[in-house]
Amino acid sequence: DAKTTQPPSMDCAEGRAANLPCNHSTISGNEYVYWYRQIHSQGPQYIIHGLKNNETNEMASLIITEDRKSSTLILPHATLRDTAVYYCIVRVAWKESNFGNEKLTFGTGTRLTIIP
Amino acid sequence: DGGITQSPKYLFRKEGQNVTLSCEQNLNHDAMYWYRQDPGQGLRLIYYSQIVNDFQKGDIAEGYSVSREKKESFPLTVTSAQKNPTAFYLCASGGDRDSYEQYFGPGTRLTVT
Repeated sequence: DAKTTQPPSMDCAEGRAANLPCNHSTISGNEYVYWYRQIHSQGPQYIIHGLKNNETNEMASLIITEDRKSSTLILPHATLRDTAVYYCIVRVAWKESNFGNEKLTFGTGTRLTIIP
Repeated sequence: DGGITQSPKYLFRKEGQNVTLSCEQNLNHDAMYWYRQDPGQGLRLIYYSQIVNDFQKGDIAEGYSVSREKKESFPLTVTSAQKNPTAFYLCASGGDRDSYEQYFGPGTRLTVT
C-alpha cells in the first residue's frame, strides 16, 4: 500500500471549514484514498473514501487532485466534536483485492483541534 | 443497532496471567481483525480472520492467540508470553467483498501490572 504524509497537527476555529491535506505521491491506479478519524480513547471511525472523483457525504468532502498524488478532507462547518486524529490511508479496495494481507495501515495522522 | 461490541472497556491483570478480550459483531461480515495501539502511535495488526474457522497472523502476533468458531465472534487471548501487553486493543470487522471499509469497536484498554 502507498505511503501517505500528513501534517502532525492543525487547529481550526469552530464553525469554519477544516481542510486536512494528505500527500500520497506513490499511489497506484487501483488504490483508493480512505479517511478515518479517531476520537480520544475510541475506535477509528470511517469518514469517506474515493478513487479519483471528488466525493461528498453527510460528514465530509474529499477532494482528490487530478494527478491523484494528494487529497484534502474538508469538514465544512467544524464543531468541537470534530476534535480527533484524522488518518489518511491509501489502499486497494477490499472488493478488488486478493485477500493477501487485509489490513489498514494507519500512520500517526493529523491531530485536529477545534478552537471555540 | 448493528455494530461491533468489545468488552470490557477497561481491564486490569497481574503479570503472568492470560486474559481474553471479547469482540462480537452483528454486521454479518466475514472478515474480522484485531489491532493494537500504543500511545501516540498508529494501529498494528495482531491477527485477522477472513472466514469462520480460519485466521492468519498479522504483524505482531507473538504472545497472542485467537479463535473464530462463529462468524459473529473473534476473541483475542493475551498470553503471559506477550512481553508488553499493556495497550489499547481494537477489534474491527468488514473490509471484505461486501464492503469498502472496516468498522471498529470501542476498544479495550488493558493494563498489566
